[in-house]
Amino acid sequence: DSGVTQTPKHLITATGQRVTLRCSPRSGDLSVYWYQQSLDQGLQFLIQYYNGEERAKGNILERFSAQQFPDLHSELNLSSLELGDSALYFCASSPGVTGQPQHFGDGTRLSIL
Amino acid sequence: KNEVEQSPQNLTAQEGEFITINCSYSVGISALHWLQQHPGGGIVSLFMLSSGKKKHGRLIATINIQEKHSSLHITASHPRDSAVYICAVKDDMRFGAGTRLTVKP
Repeated sequence: DSGVTQTPKHLITATGQRVTLRCSPRSGDLSVYWYQQSLDQGLQFLIQYYNGEERAKGNILERFSAQQFPDLHSELNLSSLELGDSALYFCASSPGVTGQPQHFGDGTRLSIL
Repeated sequence: KNEVEQSPQNLTAQEGEFITINCSYSVGISALHWLQQHPGGGIVSLFMLSSGKKKHGRLIATINIQEKHSSLHITASHPRDSAVYICAVKDDMRFGAGTRLTVKP
Protein backbone atom coordinates (compact mmCIF):
# COMPACT_ATOMS: atom_id res chain seq x y z
CA ASP A 1 0.00 0.00 0.00
CA SER A 2 1.61 3.25 -1.19
CA GLY A 3 -0.57 5.47 1.00
CA VAL A 4 -1.79 7.38 -2.06
CA THR A 5 -5.54 7.07 -2.64
CA GLN A 6 -7.20 7.67 -5.97
CA THR A 7 -10.92 7.71 -6.62
CA PRO A 8 -12.78 6.50 -8.50
CA LYS A 9 -10.98 3.35 -9.67
CA HIS A 10 -13.01 3.16 -12.85
CA LEU A 11 -14.99 5.75 -14.73
CA ILE A 12 -17.04 5.27 -17.87
CA THR A 13 -18.50 8.28 -19.59
CA ALA A 14 -19.32 9.68 -23.02
CA THR A 15 -17.63 12.10 -25.36
CA GLY A 16 -18.19 15.74 -24.52
CA GLN A 17 -18.65 15.10 -20.82
CA ARG A 18 -16.61 16.38 -17.88
CA VAL A 19 -15.14 14.29 -15.06
CA THR A 20 -13.16 14.90 -11.90
CA LEU A 21 -10.49 12.54 -10.62
CA ARG A 22 -9.42 12.78 -7.02
CA CYS A 23 -6.13 12.04 -5.28
CA SER A 24 -5.21 12.00 -1.60
CA PRO A 25 -1.43 12.02 -1.15
CA ARG A 26 0.54 10.00 1.36
CA SER A 27 0.45 11.54 4.81
CA GLY A 28 3.09 14.25 5.05
CA ASP A 29 3.71 14.53 1.31
CA LEU A 30 3.36 18.04 -0.08
CA SER A 31 3.86 17.32 -3.78
CA VAL A 32 1.24 15.75 -6.00
CA TYR A 33 1.90 14.66 -9.58
CA TRP A 34 -0.60 13.64 -12.26
CA TYR A 35 0.26 11.26 -15.10
CA GLN A 36 -1.63 9.85 -18.05
CA GLN A 37 -0.92 6.38 -19.42
CA SER A 38 -2.48 5.49 -22.74
CA LEU A 39 -1.80 2.47 -24.92
CA ASP A 40 -0.28 4.46 -27.77
CA GLN A 41 1.67 7.11 -25.83
CA GLY A 42 2.82 5.37 -22.68
CA LEU A 43 3.26 7.33 -19.47
CA GLN A 44 3.14 11.10 -19.75
CA PHE A 45 3.59 13.71 -17.07
CA LEU A 46 0.70 16.13 -16.85
CA ILE A 47 1.24 18.48 -13.92
CA GLN A 48 2.77 18.84 -10.45
CA TYR A 49 1.52 20.77 -7.44
CA TYR A 50 3.53 21.53 -4.35
CA ASN A 51 1.79 22.74 -1.21
CA GLY A 52 -1.10 24.17 -3.17
CA GLU A 53 0.88 25.85 -5.93
CA GLU A 54 1.44 24.67 -9.47
CA ARG A 55 5.09 23.64 -9.70
CA ALA A 56 5.63 22.06 -13.10
CA LYS A 57 3.59 21.49 -16.21
CA GLY A 58 3.96 18.75 -18.77
CA ASN A 59 1.80 17.64 -21.66
CA ILE A 60 -1.47 18.75 -20.13
CA LEU A 61 -4.19 19.73 -22.58
CA GLU A 62 -6.06 23.00 -22.21
CA ARG A 63 -9.25 20.96 -21.65
CA PHE A 64 -7.64 19.54 -18.52
CA SER A 65 -7.06 21.41 -15.28
CA ALA A 66 -5.95 20.53 -11.80
CA GLN A 67 -5.73 22.01 -8.37
CA GLN A 68 -4.39 21.12 -4.94
CA PHE A 69 -6.49 22.08 -1.95
CA PRO A 70 -5.37 23.30 1.51
CA ASP A 71 -5.73 19.77 2.88
CA LEU A 72 -3.28 18.73 0.10
CA HIS A 73 -5.67 16.50 -1.81
CA SER A 74 -5.74 17.17 -5.51
CA GLU A 75 -8.31 16.98 -8.28
CA LEU A 76 -7.79 16.59 -12.00
CA ASN A 77 -10.65 17.92 -14.10
CA LEU A 78 -11.06 16.65 -17.65
CA SER A 79 -13.63 18.39 -19.85
CA SER A 80 -15.00 18.09 -23.38
CA LEU A 81 -13.85 14.51 -23.29
CA GLU A 82 -12.72 12.80 -26.48
CA LEU A 83 -12.23 9.13 -27.28
CA GLY A 84 -8.48 9.65 -27.12
CA ASP A 85 -8.69 10.67 -23.48
CA SER A 86 -9.37 7.06 -22.55
CA ALA A 87 -6.41 6.11 -20.38
CA LEU A 88 -5.15 5.27 -16.93
CA TYR A 89 -4.61 8.39 -14.86
CA PHE A 90 -2.10 8.06 -12.04
CA CYS A 91 -1.46 10.34 -9.14
CA ALA A 92 1.81 10.22 -7.22
CA SER A 93 3.10 12.09 -4.20
CA SER A 94 6.44 12.92 -2.63
CA PRO A 95 7.49 14.81 0.49
CA GLY A 96 9.31 17.68 -1.17
CA VAL A 97 9.26 19.69 -4.33
CA THR A 98 11.87 17.66 -6.21
CA GLY A 99 14.58 15.06 -5.90
CA GLN A 100 12.68 12.39 -4.04
CA PRO A 101 11.08 9.09 -5.03
CA GLN A 102 7.37 9.25 -5.73
CA HIS A 103 4.67 6.98 -4.37
CA PHE A 104 1.98 6.10 -6.87
CA GLY A 105 -1.71 5.55 -6.42
CA ASP A 106 -3.47 2.62 -8.10
CA GLY A 107 -4.80 4.83 -10.87
CA THR A 108 -8.19 5.73 -12.29
CA ARG A 109 -9.15 3.93 -15.48
CA LEU A 110 -11.15 6.31 -17.65
CA SER A 111 -13.12 4.89 -20.56
CA ILE A 112 -14.81 7.22 -23.04
CA LEU A 113 -17.61 5.66 -25.07
CA LYS B 1 13.18 17.65 -25.14
CA ASN B 2 14.87 14.61 -23.77
CA GLU B 3 14.43 11.46 -25.79
CA VAL B 4 14.37 8.41 -23.55
CA GLU B 5 14.90 5.00 -25.10
CA GLN B 6 14.70 1.64 -23.44
CA SER B 7 15.89 -1.73 -24.61
CA PRO B 8 14.82 -4.37 -25.04
CA GLN B 9 11.09 -3.76 -25.49
CA ASN B 10 10.29 -7.31 -24.45
CA LEU B 11 12.37 -9.80 -22.52
CA THR B 12 11.65 -13.41 -21.61
CA ALA B 13 13.93 -15.17 -19.16
CA GLN B 14 14.09 -18.42 -17.24
CA GLU B 15 13.90 -18.31 -13.48
CA GLY B 16 17.32 -17.70 -11.99
CA GLU B 17 18.75 -15.79 -14.95
CA PHE B 18 20.51 -12.44 -14.64
CA ILE B 19 18.48 -9.67 -16.30
CA THR B 20 19.68 -6.36 -17.71
CA ILE B 21 17.40 -3.58 -18.94
CA ASN B 22 18.91 -0.50 -20.54
CA CYS B 23 17.86 3.14 -20.68
CA SER B 24 19.48 5.88 -22.74
CA TYR B 25 18.62 9.55 -22.84
CA SER B 26 19.68 12.37 -25.13
CA VAL B 27 20.09 15.39 -22.86
CA GLY B 28 22.03 15.68 -19.62
CA ILE B 29 19.93 15.11 -16.51
CA SER B 30 20.19 15.46 -12.76
CA ALA B 31 18.50 12.17 -11.86
CA LEU B 32 16.69 9.18 -13.28
CA HIS B 33 13.88 7.01 -11.91
CA TRP B 34 13.31 3.32 -12.42
CA LEU B 35 9.69 2.26 -12.01
CA GLN B 36 8.04 -1.15 -11.94
CA GLN B 37 4.49 -1.57 -13.22
CA HIS B 38 2.76 -4.76 -12.16
CA PRO B 39 0.41 -6.69 -14.44
CA GLY B 40 -2.51 -5.23 -12.49
CA GLY B 41 -1.35 -1.72 -13.40
CA GLY B 42 0.08 -0.51 -10.10
CA ILE B 43 3.35 1.43 -10.25
CA VAL B 44 6.17 1.22 -7.73
CA SER B 45 9.19 3.48 -7.67
CA LEU B 46 12.27 1.26 -7.49
CA PHE B 47 15.18 3.69 -7.58
CA MET B 48 16.02 7.30 -8.08
CA LEU B 49 19.68 7.85 -8.83
CA SER B 50 21.91 10.63 -9.99
CA SER B 51 25.28 8.87 -10.00
CA GLY B 52 26.95 5.52 -9.46
CA LYS B 53 24.99 2.55 -8.31
CA LYS B 54 22.14 1.64 -5.96
CA LYS B 55 21.12 -1.79 -4.72
CA HIS B 56 17.92 -3.04 -3.15
CA GLY B 57 17.65 -6.76 -2.61
CA ARG B 58 18.12 -8.48 -5.97
CA LEU B 59 17.78 -5.22 -7.91
CA ILE B 60 20.74 -3.07 -8.89
CA ALA B 61 20.57 0.21 -10.79
CA THR B 62 23.55 1.98 -12.32
CA ILE B 63 23.90 5.25 -14.12
CA ASN B 64 26.68 6.76 -16.23
CA ILE B 65 25.99 10.46 -16.48
CA GLN B 66 28.71 11.09 -19.10
CA GLU B 67 27.42 8.35 -21.38
CA LYS B 68 23.75 9.25 -20.69
CA HIS B 69 22.93 5.66 -19.90
CA SER B 70 21.41 3.70 -17.04
CA SER B 71 20.89 0.00 -16.48
CA LEU B 72 18.62 -1.99 -14.22
CA HIS B 73 19.84 -5.45 -13.28
CA ILE B 74 17.90 -8.23 -11.62
CA THR B 75 19.90 -11.07 -10.13
CA ALA B 76 18.44 -14.55 -9.65
CA SER B 77 15.24 -13.57 -11.45
CA HIS B 78 11.92 -14.98 -10.26
CA PRO B 79 8.48 -15.21 -11.87
CA ARG B 80 7.23 -12.53 -9.46
CA ASP B 81 9.67 -10.10 -11.16
CA SER B 82 7.45 -10.28 -14.26
CA ALA B 83 6.36 -6.70 -14.86
CA VAL B 84 6.97 -3.69 -17.07
CA TYR B 85 10.05 -1.70 -16.07
CA ILE B 86 10.06 1.97 -16.99
CA CYS B 87 12.84 4.53 -16.76
CA ALA B 88 12.02 8.20 -16.36
CA VAL B 89 14.15 11.30 -16.62
CA LYS B 90 13.49 13.46 -13.59
CA ASP B 91 14.24 16.87 -15.06
CA ASP B 92 11.52 17.03 -17.69
CA MET B 93 9.57 13.99 -16.52
CA ARG B 94 9.90 12.04 -19.74
CA PHE B 95 9.40 8.29 -19.70
CA GLY B 96 10.78 5.42 -21.70
CA ALA B 97 8.31 3.14 -23.43
CA GLY B 98 8.99 0.39 -20.91
CA THR B 99 10.47 -3.11 -21.02
CA ARG B 100 8.05 -5.97 -20.53
CA LEU B 101 9.81 -8.72 -18.58
CA THR B 102 8.43 -12.23 -18.32
CA VAL B 103 10.25 -14.70 -16.10
CA LYS B 104 9.26 -18.33 -16.64
CA PRO B 105 9.52 -20.94 -13.89
